[in-house]
Amino acid sequence: DTAVSQTPKYLVTQMGNDKSIKCEQNLGHDTMYWYKQDSKKFLKIMFSYNNKELIINETVPNRFSPKSPDKAHLNLHINSLELGDSAVYFCASSQLVAGENYGYTFGSGTRLTVV
Amino acid sequence: AQTVTQSQPEMSVQEAETVTLSCTYDTSENNYYLFWYKQPPSRQMILVIRQEAYKQQNATENRFSVNFQKAAKSFSLKISDSQLGDTAMYFCAFMKPYSGNTPLVFGKGTRLSVIA
Repeated sequence: DTAVSQTPKYLVTQMGNDKSIKCEQNLGHDTMYWYKQDSKKFLKIMFSYNNKELIINETVPNRFSPKSPDKAHLNLHINSLELGDSAVYFCASSQLVAGENYGYTFGSGTRLTVV
Repeated sequence: AQTVTQSQPEMSVQEAETVTLSCTYDTSENNYYLFWYKQPPSRQMILVIRQEAYKQQNATENRFSVNFQKAAKSFSLKISDSQLGDTAMYFCAFMKPYSGNTPLVFGKGTRLSVIA
């Protein structure tokens, strides 16, 4: 069973379109994240949700809107796609265990290409 | 804000040899976590090793071990008996004790190539 699954794995779309990436985790974790990995492989936090509540909202264009219908799901909707949005987007989840943090479990990433 | 620096953009090592990847970080926190993640060509992010700052003992996981120097804010990863499957990007990452709004902060990565 995949712990953190993202769909789709690849997404090619034209500028100006609206697209969504879905993420689901079956680990029972309370916190989920979206990271963006640019062409130089740098990973940057975009958003974080804890039990459906937005807790991190980094400096990201308003065209990006996360939605968490329940704590197992965190989706990312992107409006009016631009060439610069081309990147790999990673979903991740985490959970405190006895007050300790054991890192994140990542999905396999979605490679978004805007043409 | 915390920063993580990996000063070696690329490294290579012969199969079966040992290689050390460097990482330094900047923080005013006393308690925190440090991680090394591996990203092979498959793109999957894989946790390699984890260190708690309040533990002086260096973490080890099979062929992977760290040299954690808290005063120097240094956290290097040693890979022993390198294998072809170790070829990947390696990311050092820092995290404050969880307070609900402290994400994992990554370095820019080191691309490691293991040569047969």
